[in-house]
Amino acid sequence: EAQVTQNPRYLITVTGKKLTVTCSQNMNHEYMSWYRQDPGLGLRQIYYSMNVEVTDKGDVPEGYKVSRKEKRNFPLILESPSPNQTSLYFCASRDSGTDYEQYFGPGTRLTVT
Amino acid sequence: QQQVKQSPQSLIVQKGGISIINCAYENTAFDYFPWYQQFPGKGPALLIAIRPDVSEKKEGRFTISFNKSAKQFSLHIMDSQPGDSATYFCAATSMAEFYFGSGTKLNVKP
Repeated sequence: EAQVTQNPRYLITVTGKKLTVTCSQNMNHEYMSWYRQDPGLGLRQIYYSMNVEVTDKGDVPEGYKVSRKEKRNFPLILESPSPNQTSLYFCASRDSGTDYEQYFGPGTRLTVT
Repeated sequence: QQQVKQSPQSLIVQKGGISIINCAYENTAFDYFPWYQQFPGKGPALLIAIRPDVSEKKEGRFTISFNKSAKQFSLHIMDSQPGDSATYFCAATSMAEFYFGSGTKLNVKP
């Protein structure tokens, strides 16, 4: 089954404790992206990657890091999480052609206390 | 500055009625305008999308109307059903950077 998976689905952590949210896709997509969803703000793009070893900042990259060492994986790293990073996070992927349809993962609910 | 503005924030429609959600954008470089549907606890899923070279696209009960000169586009849901109750997001992109509207929570009353 073609899908985007994220782990963990739920995470409660404390300020300053480094964490990684994993994202993996099995569709051989070149493009992957991370978003955060907050009430009243919709989804905002954090980082995206056009291919392996190619990453770029989205609209709200501060406080986040990403890496793309393999085509299928695109982890999101919070080196020193803060309470304002409490949010619902989505990973997405799509093909690199002219069809921009994105496939989203199920989401990761992160709470930073 | 918000790149894509969406309204209304919430919408209540009777079963069988027409639901209309509006979006406006600023960047004329955008060349793909999708609408996503999101159910509670799920990720967004593509509903329908349009390119700026056409003024309307219809797929079943869902229609996008696009006005390039006004930099506006809208989603029309005909014969709305309770199963359409969800949050809807418009978006705009020029390939890599995606910008989403703030979302519209639709409630279709039986």
